[in-house]
Amino acid sequence: GENVEQHPSTLSVQEGDSAVIKCTYSDSASNYFPWYKQELGKRPQLIIDIRSNVGEKKDQRIAVTLNKTAKHFSLHITETQPEDSAVYFCAAVRPKPGNTGKLIFGQGTTLQVKP
Amino acid sequence: DGGITQSPKYLFRKEGQNVTLSCEQNLNHDAMYWYRQDPGQGLRLIYYSQIVNDFQKGDIAEGYSVSREKKESFPLTVTSAQKNPTAFYLCASSIVRGLAKNIQYFGAGTRLSVL
Repeated sequence: GENVEQHPSTLSVQEGDSAVIKCTYSDSASNYFPWYKQELGKRPQLIIDIRSNVGEKKDQRIAVTLNKTAKHFSLHITETQPEDSAVYFCAAVRPKPGNTGKLIFGQGTTLQVKP
Repeated sequence: DGGITQSPKYLFRKEGQNVTLSCEQNLNHDAMYWYRQDPGQGLRLIYYSQIVNDFQKGDIAEGYSVSREKKESFPLTVTSAQKNPTAFYLCASSIVRGLAKNIQYFGAGTRLSVL
């Protein structure tokens, strides 16, 4: 079945450094890849997404890259700040008849940014 | 916090009791979803619905039931058959057509514990 693997499970960086989180997906038909940020005890919030017709998307300090051939995509956060500390989830969507929009989530990465 | 409202925020279940978690959205979204989140884990899909009076099982539907009598509402019942219900439950919604399709917006969650 569809599967999304996310690495690493925990990541600790110094403030100002970059952080990279990687995900691989199993279904080559997947065509939408969102990233969610979840602060402790709060709801997941979409921070960036990418569709399969582009290879990279950037929004200020965050960027996502997609390699369809290798079936992996990555989240890049530059100039990290303490408020970036949270759990980050990647997800993939496979289009089906009727486009159910089911998200398959990775296991999450706990990012800690040390001041 | 507008858009998707989950209630209650905290819920306690006694042995053998069914409990219902509420999810209401005013975003005019067609699709709604229920996820379960266990500590340190990703989100697992319980049920989803793309249209009123229709819903499908997700990956972990056993011990749960849902209804979709109105577009705005998608309540989740945790039945006594669910032997390990303690978790954080998240409701989400999305549109199913157009450029923003598949983008899911989450409620603030309900934390369910067993007494």
